[in-house]
Amino acid sequence: AIQLTQSPSSLSASVGDRVTITCRASQVIGSSLAWFQQKPGKAPKLLIYDASTLESGVPSRFSGSGSGTDFTLTISSLQPEDLGTYYCQQFTRYPHTFGQGTRLDIK
Amino acid sequence: EVQLVESGGGLVQPGTSRRLSCAASGFMFGDYAMHWVRQAPGKGLEWVSVISWNSDSINYAASVKGRFTTSRDNAKNTLYLEMNSLGVEDTAFYYCAKSDQPLQYFDIWGQGTLVVVSS
Repeated sequence: AIQLTQSPSSLSASVGDRVTITCRASQVIGSSLAWFQQKPGKAPKLLIYDASTLESGVPSRFSGSGSGTDFTLTISSLQPEDLGTYYCQQFTRYPHTFGQGTRLDIK
Repeated sequence: EVQLVESGGGLVQPGTSRRLSCAASGFMFGDYAMHWVRQAPGKGLEWVSVISWNSDSINYAASVKGRFTTSRDNAKNTLYLEMNSLGVEDTAFYYCAKSDQPLQYFDIWGQGTLVVVSS
């Protein structure tokens, strides 16, 4: 199975900060990567698909980049409502796999 | 409104079975692949299975293969997960999710249903 490794595992940042989360795949996956946000007690929500395409309705402060094995999720100006856990997911081959998650707290 | 609503969770004894359902509304259910994804309390996400729009293609995670069966009834707009030989390691929130194709990202998720396997 393709392993996805996210870093950092957790971070704390202030409102207005630029935040970057990385996801590294154990094999080349092209651009078959999605990013999800999960708030406490809620289902995951799609933010980014195909590595860099913003899902409809998602604020433009979220962006994704990368291809091959290295990917990045960036929040350009952190907002209080962005707290939660962020997951990357690859969908190039079975089994679908997720990164272990990055917990984001607001200082 | 596009919506997925899971049901069927609860407390079950080890070694027993449980069937989960996922009711879809607000979109053409029969046109999309459907997935089950689970999350143990306080842990990360684990993909469980996928079924194609016409049930021709079904895939499972190694951890559930041979014990879980995914099916769908397009006439009823409902997805199912039949879980057998449940163990404590199957305790989790179970989410259903849709995607355009089986190997595609999940664009809509249900709210989840909790299955607790305990004696």
